[in-house]
Amino acid sequence: AQKVTQAQTEISVVEKEDVTLDCVYETRDTTYYLFWYKQPPSGELVFLIRRNSFDEQNEISGRYSWNFQKSTSSFNFTITASQVVDSAVYFCALSEGPGGSYIPTFGRGTSLIVHP
Amino acid sequence: EAQVTQNPRYLITVTGKKLTVTCSQNMNHEYMSWYRQDPGLGLRQIYYSMNVEVTDKGDVPEGYKVSRKEKRNFPLILESPSPNQTSLYFCASSLRVRGSPYEQYFGPGTRLTVT
Repeated sequence: AQKVTQAQTEISVVEKEDVTLDCVYETRDTTYYLFWYKQPPSGELVFLIRRNSFDEQNEISGRYSWNFQKSTSSFNFTITASQVVDSAVYFCALSEGPGGSYIPTFGRGTSLIVHP
Repeated sequence: EAQVTQNPRYLITVTGKKLTVTCSQNMNHEYMSWYRQDPGLGLRQIYYSMNVEVTDKGDVPEGYKVSRKEKRNFPLILESPSPNQTSLYFCASSLRVRGSPYEQYFGPGTRLTVT
């Protein structure tokens, strides 16, 4: 069975601080996909990134970066120079690849609060 | 504009009164699903559908029904709602190319209260 753990329930930072949101996953599948979604206070869910298990390259998109490490089964998300608009709940999710379960597993989310 | 729509956005009902939450997507996605979001529990999948007339249970299907008669629509039916189904519900759609999942597009959510 697959599992996603976001151990940080809530993180509070001051604007311009860097912050890392942790995501640890478990799966028996060799082909799988990892995702991050953002849920701002308005409630909608917004896709941030998709990564497959064969691509361990880190990714940077503006102030956002993702560190995928298969050796530690982690897919951590870092926000550099955080801003108030980054305040949201962030979900990490895992989906198995072809032949695997069609049911994605979401972590319980990390609530990030960025104070001005 | 690519989108997933849900209706209603807010609903207060009483125990036992059947209700339907509609979901529609305009992206021609084959894969659609329903989730519920509860505090501290994240998102849990209720049902999913791989294509028209193909549906299957997710992690928490008890008390819910779905149907997929058309590719764009995937309604969620609560035949006899109970207070423990009070939750925030999201419909989502996505591509699956040769079985590989792509990002999900979520609807705006339906906040359901069952008294």
